Amino acid sequence: EAGVAQSPRYKIIEKRQSVAFWCNPISGHATLYWYQQILGQGPKLLIQFQNNGVVDDSQLPKDRFSAERLKGVDSTLKIQPAKLEDSAVYLCASSAGTESSYEQYFGPGTRLTVT
Amino acid sequence: AQTVTQSQPEMSVQEAETVTLSCTYDTSESDYYLFWYKQPPSRQMILVIRQEAYKQQNATENRFSVNFQKAAKSFSLKISDSQLGDAAMYFCAYRSSVSGTYKYIFGTGTRLKVLA
Repeated sequence: EAGVAQSPRYKIIEKRQSVAFWCNPISGHATLYWYQQILGQGPKLLIQFQNNGVVDDSQLPKDRFSAERLKGVDSTLKIQPAKLEDSAVYLCASSAGTESSYEQYFGPGTRLTVT
Repeated sequence: AQTVTQSQPEMSVQEAETVTLSCTYDTSESDYYLFWYKQPPSRQMILVIRQEAYKQQNATENRFSVNFQKAAKSFSLKISDSQLGDAAMYFCAYRSSVSGTYKYIFGTGTRLKVLA
């Protein structure tokens, strides 16, 4: 089965510019996660979708970050405007989204550099 | 709120030797899952091993095993017969079993170096 796809793999922008990341989860996976991973740290959950509804976005900086998951499949994460501290790898993961389906499958990530 | 702590930023092990990575967590929930994930330099995170909190038996997956101490809220990973390919960042993670959330919380990671 195909894995979690993300694009682009790398992005360099200047501060105050906008950027968008795309994620295509594993087919049939109900739960989709976006994580921010700053160099040397563990992934931090930004937002979690169950189908096309938001389950948790408590750590999403909503003044500049937004995310959507239309039709419960693909998802986009946007930053507008970007700040220097947004430089990180943005990981997308998906899971079947049931009690017993515990495993998250991760995409390769998008490395964002804000200059 | 749940927290996950990995107190060893970096560990080294000789090839073919055994190493143990530590993880502690804090939660008020009685039912949950614990995981160890491996992130090689290419950055794609993969699952190494999982443990259901309701199971007393420690999980094992080939050369990887855990020591799960529920009362102490400790969850360590033991890698036996270490191989060069084991070199990576290892993250301990907690997953709530609260229905409808299944939120994951990751520790800060331990970088494992394997010496030839």
